[in-house]
Amino acid sequence: GENVEQHPSTLSVQEGDSAVIKCTYSDSASNYFPWYKQELGKRPQLIIDIRSNVGEKKDQRIAVTLNKTAKHFSLHITETQPEDSAVYFCSGSGSARQLTFGSGTQLTVLP
Amino acid sequence: GAVVSQHPSWVICKSGTSVKIECRSLDFQATTMFWYRQFPKQSLMLMATSNEGSKATYEQGVEKDKFLINHASLTLSTLTVTSAHPEDSSFYICSATPGTVNSPLHFGNGTRLTVT
Repeated sequence: GENVEQHPSTLSVQEGDSAVIKCTYSDSASNYFPWYKQELGKRPQLIIDIRSNVGEKKDQRIAVTLNKTAKHFSLHITETQPEDSAVYFCSGSGSARQLTFGSGTQLTVLP
Repeated sequence: GAVVSQHPSWVICKSGTSVKIECRSLDFQATTMFWYRQFPKQSLMLMATSNEGSKATYEQGVEKDKFLINHASLTLSTLTVTSAHPEDSSFYICSATPGTVNSPLHFGNGTRLTVT
């Protein structure tokens, strides 16, 4: 099955700086890679996703890049704000739509 | 659109009792729903895949006789934690997808289960 690894586990940045979270996956058949933001005690919220036929996708301050050859993908948040503080999970899935999640990154944006 | 409703949002029960958690897709039909469990400060771990009209598929290490899943309709899946023990205390989250091309998974609000 799929194995998704995520780094770093914790990340602190100054407000206005950029944050980058990296993930690798093992199953070359995986073709869908969503990123979720989870605040304490709440459900994961989809913030951006990318499919394997695309190398990069951007939505305002959030961007995701995918390198299929190397089997890694990254989340980039620019101009970070305190409300970006949360746990971020990368994930991957194949045709079965079962998501395998990374271990999560606790992002803290310092004012 | 694509709202997934999960109930209850939290429940406290005594050891040995059973608890049922409902997951509903409110504005779409979901032939497949997924059940995840999340322990504090950990990631979401897939427990089982719930298929409408057929038996659920359980992940390795998840006891099917303890975590009963019923997916009786295209909009409802239930997870029953039988004979609950304190170690079953966790955050349980369901997810569902319309299954159409490019449709993402949508999560329920989760259920915080505390077994005393």
